[in-house]
Amino acid sequence: AQRVTQPEKLLSVFKGAPVELKCNYSYSGSPELFWYVQYSRQRLQLLLRHISRESIKGFTADLNKGETSFHLKKPFAQEEDSAMYYCALSGYGNKLVFGAGTILRVKS
Amino acid sequence: KAGVTQTPRYLIKTRGQQVTLSCSPISGHRSVSWYQQTPGQGLQFLFEYFSETQRNKGNFPGRFSGRQFSNSRSEMNVSTLELGDSALYLCASSPGTPNTGELFFGEGSRLTVL
Repeated sequence: AQRVTQPEKLLSVFKGAPVELKCNYSYSGSPELFWYVQYSRQRLQLLLRHISRESIKGFTADLNKGETSFHLKKPFAQEEDSAMYYCALSGYGNKLVFGAGTILRVKS
Repeated sequence: KAGVTQTPRYLIKTRGQQVTLSCSPISGHRSVSWYQQTPGQGLQFLFEYFSETQRNKGNFPGRFSGRQFSNSRSEMNVSTLELGDSALYLCASSPGTPNTGELFFGEGSRLTVL
């Protein structure tokens, strides 16, 4: 079965501190993994996908198949990073399995 | 381009009634997916339509159904509403092929069942 686990409901950090949002997955095939973000009063939107191996807004995520993880990292948090972050796994077509989400609060 | 548009944005129904929600995808997008979001279960996949055909289906009872029209607009219907159907229903569109996993979400339709 496909499953995505985000162990933290809330992560609170100070501005300038490093951020790591954890995501673990369960999938029998070759996974496609994504991070989606929802800022306050905005729509859910794609932040980044593992196949692109890109950095978006300073965030990166590396797929670790051995640990079945896809943690989201940023070296220096900014206040505008405060949002709800969802890790998602893609199966067939556009079916995404989402984790429960982690609220990131960046304090000044 | 205009974003994904969902109507109505808010609605209140009573148990046993049925409801129809509408979604207009981004122009040119042929895939429309529906998700249910609740505080307890989070975001759960309902179904996906591509070129008027259901391409994928989640684990929801048959009371939940959908369809897609030739202009890619989609509707979902929930019959015999239950209290537990209260949720935010999100529609998302994508070009449909190739599947990149990038979905463009609407603002959602918030359904309250009394």
